[in-house]
Amino acid sequence: EAGVAQSPRYKIIEKRQSVAFWCNPISGHATLYWYQQILGQGPKLLIQFQNNGVVDDSQLPKDRFSAERLKGVDSTLKIQPAKLEDSAVYLCASSLKTGAGNTIYFGEGSWLTVV
Amino acid sequence: GQQVMQIPQYQHVQEGEDFTTYCNSSTTLSNIQWYKQRPGGHPVFLIQLVKSGEVKKQKRLTFQFGEAKKNSSLHITATQTTDVGTYFCAADRGSTLGRLYFGRGTQLTVWP
Repeated sequence: EAGVAQSPRYKIIEKRQSVAFWCNPISGHATLYWYQQILGQGPKLLIQFQNNGVVDDSQLPKDRFSAERLKGVDSTLKIQPAKLEDSAVYLCASSLKTGAGNTIYFGEGSWLTVV
Repeated sequence: GQQVMQIPQYQHVQEGEDFTTYCNSSTTLSNIQWYKQRPGGHPVFLIQLVKSGEVKKQKRLTFQFGEAKKNSSLHITATQTTDVGTYFCAADRGSTLGRLYFGRGTQLTVWP
């Protein structure tokens, strides 16, 4: 079974530039998550989709971050303009459904360095 | 703010020694999950604990959920170099969305 696919794996950009990350979840998984993991910390949820609808974006910095999952399958996370503090690993994850007790499967992550 | 406290942040052991990491929440949890992240890798699900006082074992790993469902621990017996990585607890506070709050993790180093 294919896992969660992400691209690009690594990206270096200058501050104020923009960047986009792509994610394809495990086939059949209705719920898709984007997490931000800063070095030395645990993953922090940015946004959660159920099919093509947003169910939780309370921790997404909406002035610069946006995400979409138009057809309820793959998703794109965009940062514009980037700040130095956005340097982190952006982890996409998916689960079969939404709700208590779900197992989350993470992708390899997209490593972003903002200089 | 920090929803889940996890200690210690770092642990260095010699191969064969035991290792324990602790996770504490100020609120009662619906369930707690544990993940392992190898250096340069991504978090991988290990186990989920749901019941008060639950104890689960996976070979040399023992997971416990406190009676009050506010704390949990992961204990590794006789560590091996393959155990190297960061261990995260992830707390589910029982929301309908099943949102997980990750601890900062305990980074385990094992010397051969």
